[in-house]
Amino acid sequence: NAGVTQTPKFRILKIGQSMTLQCAQDMNHNYMYWYRQDPGMGLKLIYYSVGAGITDKGEVPNGYNVSRSTTEDFPLRLELAAPSQTSVYFCASTSEPGGEETQYFGPGTRLLVL
Amino acid sequence: AQKITQTQPGMFVQEKEAVTLDCTYDTSDPSYGLFWYKQPSSGEMIFLIYQGSYDQQNATEGRYSLNFQKARKSANLVISASQLGDSAMYFCAMREGLHNFNKFYFGSGTKLNVKP
Repeated sequence: NAGVTQTPKFRILKIGQSMTLQCAQDMNHNYMYWYRQDPGMGLKLIYYSVGAGITDKGEVPNGYNVSRSTTEDFPLRLELAAPSQTSVYFCASTSEPGGEETQYFGPGTRLLVL
Repeated sequence: AQKITQTQPGMFVQEKEAVTLDCTYDTSDPSYGLFWYKQPSSGEMIFLIYQGSYDQQNATEGRYSLNFQKARKSANLVISASQLGDSAMYFCAMREGLHNFNKFYFGSGTKLNVKP
């Protein structure tokens, strides 16, 4: 099992450009999440999905969009990049968000918007 | 109000000594889960330990234990016999509600440095 994979590892964007951060998991997890981690801070939830075709906003969704056409993939789209979106982005998944079932995290994508 | 508070931005500990990382939480839901994660300089998030709100005993996982004081709403992580490889950021997190899939909150982290 590769677990949760994310691409790219690092990207520099110019203000106003768009890009898609890729996330895939091979654990057949229904629940997937996108977080951002600003320097010196904890993670904040951007969007989440409870299964293919079902997504919803988290705590900080502005400036982002997601889709979930398959169980495996959960891409995050930035349409008009802004400096405030400079952050490290983590994708995570879990089979059942109850009990001691933790979220499994990808390695992160570091994004710099200049 | 902050859901998870970690008041120690940075900590130093001597190798082989024990260290306690503080975490307090805020919730009115009687059902919740508490997690600790380690984030080394390489950036990945590594799950360490879990404590459920109804668990009677403190959780332990190898050198990690969780000092759970429910009345005080604290869930401190204790690392025994620190090793150089323990140097990392440590995050406390809470899942609010028994099966809430979107109410997962993280603290701001504590950076632990283990000195040889």
